[in-house]
Amino acid sequence: GAGVSQSPSNKVTEKGKDVELRCDPISGHTALYWYRQSLGQGLEFLIYFQGNSAPDKSGLPSDRFSAERTGGSVSTLTIQRTQQEDSAVYLCASSSRNFAEQFFGPGTRLTVL
Amino acid sequence: QQQVKQSPQSLIVQKGGISIINCAYENTAFDYFPWYQQFPGKGPALLIAIRPDVSEKKEGRFTISFNKSAKQFSLHIMDSQPGDSATYFCAASMRGAQAGTALIFGKGTTLSVSS
Repeated sequence: GAGVSQSPSNKVTEKGKDVELRCDPISGHTALYWYRQSLGQGLEFLIYFQGNSAPDKSGLPSDRFSAERTGGSVSTLTIQRTQQEDSAVYLCASSSRNFAEQFFGPGTRLTVL
Repeated sequence: QQQVKQSPQSLIVQKGGISIINCAYENTAFDYFPWYQQFPGKGPALLIAIRPDVSEKKEGRFTISFNKSAKQFSLHIMDSQPGDSATYFCAASMRGAQAGTALIFGKGTTLSVSS
């Protein structure tokens, strides 16, 4: 079956603009994670959704970042008033249940000019 | 306490050699330790994972060695091949953590296998 898909694959934006990044998890996966990968850094956890529970936003770096998950499937990560330090690859992962293997999408490369 | 420290940052190994990447952690509540492999332009893919009730796990040419008392674990790639050239990340998570099972990643090791 299809893996985790993300769109767009690349996004270039100007400082101060808002951006939306989309994640389509593997069908039936109840858990969805967003991570950020900056140059030379590891992957940094951002936010976690599990089923219909309230998301855990403990990894979001500022209130400019938000995410939602509609119908327990597709998720959108929104970054408002983008800054140059937001430039990174944003990765989405999903898993079939808590404590199961996380499958990653190819990521969205965000460049803020 | 949430950090996972990974070394080396980069590694060059000859074809057929053994690649060794090390990770250390502080939080003794971690109970799941996966290794991910990432090729350029791709998302990370799970390579092999271990839980702290065993000291070693082997899958093909890949072995995880786990030392609970030292809070260290390592990835060994036997008979390294050019196709193994990639970035490797160790990670850790804990059951029942606030953020579900969100992974805490090391900063990665870029492996180059020369032919």
